[in-house]
Amino acid sequence: DTAVSQTPKYLVTQMGNDKSIKCEQNLGHDTMYWYKQDSKKFLKIMFSYNNKELIINETVPNRFSPKSPDKAHLNLHINSLELGDSAVYFCASSQPDWQETQYFGPGTRLLVL
Amino acid sequence: AQSVTQLDSQVPVFEEAPVELRCNYSSSVSVYLFWYVQYPNQGLQLLLKYLSGSTLVKGINGFEAEFNKSQTSFHLRKPSVHISDTAEYFCAVSAYDMRFGAGTRLTVKP
Repeated sequence: DTAVSQTPKYLVTQMGNDKSIKCEQNLGHDTMYWYKQDSKKFLKIMFSYNNKELIINETVPNRFSPKSPDKAHLNLHINSLELGDSAVYFCASSQPDWQETQYFGPGTRLLVL
Repeated sequence: AQSVTQLDSQVPVFEEAPVELRCNYSSSVSVYLFWYVQYPNQGLQLLLKYLSGSTLVKGINGFEAEFNKSQTSFHLRKPSVHISDTAEYFCAVSAYDMRFGAGTRLTVKP
């Protein structure tokens, strides 16, 4: 069984569209994250949720909205997509302590045309 | 806030040679240190981490890292690399959040 899964794996869409990426973890972790990896491989945290509550909300456009229906799921909805949103988005999970190992999903490759 | 600098963006090395990937960090508080590896088209996975105690940390796949508080470094080493070690390696530091370095691309040549 995949520990952290993301769907879809690839997403190609037009500017201005709205899209969602889904993430599920079966590790029983309380904390989930969204990261953005740009074309130069730079990885930056976007959001962190602990037991369905938003903990970290880095400076990202408010077009990005995370939603956590339960502690095993953290979805990312993006409104009015822009060219600069093209990147790989990773979901991760861990127990709620910064010394804990984070487990990453396989990534969703988003291309905005 | 804490930050991480990976000093080499690319490291080419021949198979069975030793390798060192360099990482320096900056923080005003105590931090935890991590090395993650990303194989092509995959997510990141943990190689090793330093929380406290012994400054030499051993990880998976024969990798080890040494925490040096005075030099604020956490360099990753392997005495003999394999082709399969070709990947992107990320140093990370955490305190109140997680910060990753820009990554080092390790390419192992036959």
